[in-house]
Amino acid sequence: DVKVTQSSRYLVKRTGEKVFLECVQDMDHENMFWYRQDPGLGLRLIYFSYDVKMKEKGDIPEGYSVSREKKERFSLILESASTNQTSMYLCASREGPSETQYFGPGTRLLVL
Amino acid sequence: QKEVEQNSGPLSVPEGAIASLNCTYSDRVSQSFFWYRQYSGKSPELIMSIYSNGDKEDGRFTAQLNKASQYVSLLIRDSQPSDSATYLCAVRPLSGSARQLTFGSGTQLTVLP
Repeated sequence: DVKVTQSSRYLVKRTGEKVFLECVQDMDHENMFWYRQDPGLGLRLIYFSYDVKMKEKGDIPEGYSVSREKKERFSLILESASTNQTSMYLCASREGPSETQYFGPGTRLLVL
Repeated sequence: QKEVEQNSGPLSVPEGAIASLNCTYSDRVSQSFFWYRQYSGKSPELIMSIYSNGDKEDGRFTAQLNKASQYVSLLIRDSQPSDSATYLCAVRPLSGSARQLTFGSGTQLTVLP
């Protein structure tokens, strides 16, 4: 059974803190993605990775960085959290370009 | 102009009716099209994919694709209250690294008992 897990379901952080969101998939997928989802704006791609140590910017990379040291793990880093980064963060993975994309359960982040 | 557009809704239909959800896209060379369902507070799950013009049926769900008019739709027959969710349309381009999906903002569907 396909599984994408995220380290936290809910997270509360203070402005300026460094925040780590982790995503792990157990399907040996090549591609992994980080999205944020906001009301009325839908899902927006922050970063994606198509191989270990490889990363590419998505549509809204500003204020974020990522790390992929192992194939199964893709981390999203907020270097200095700001209130406008309060959002739902969704991780996803996919084997190849034509395969189904699977989502993790999401992390709801509140930055105070 | 957004690349993938959906009516945000909310769309309300009575139980047993047909719910029709529409999506238009701007990239004419888009190749693959997907419908995801997202229950409140949950993550999206894939319910339909369609790659060629015409209709594709899966149980109570039918996806329709018209590449010439650049729209894709989802019909839900015999709608049930359990179908109440936000439906996301997603489009994958023909080329580009990893060929990432572009999502619409979703249509909120409510099926009234």
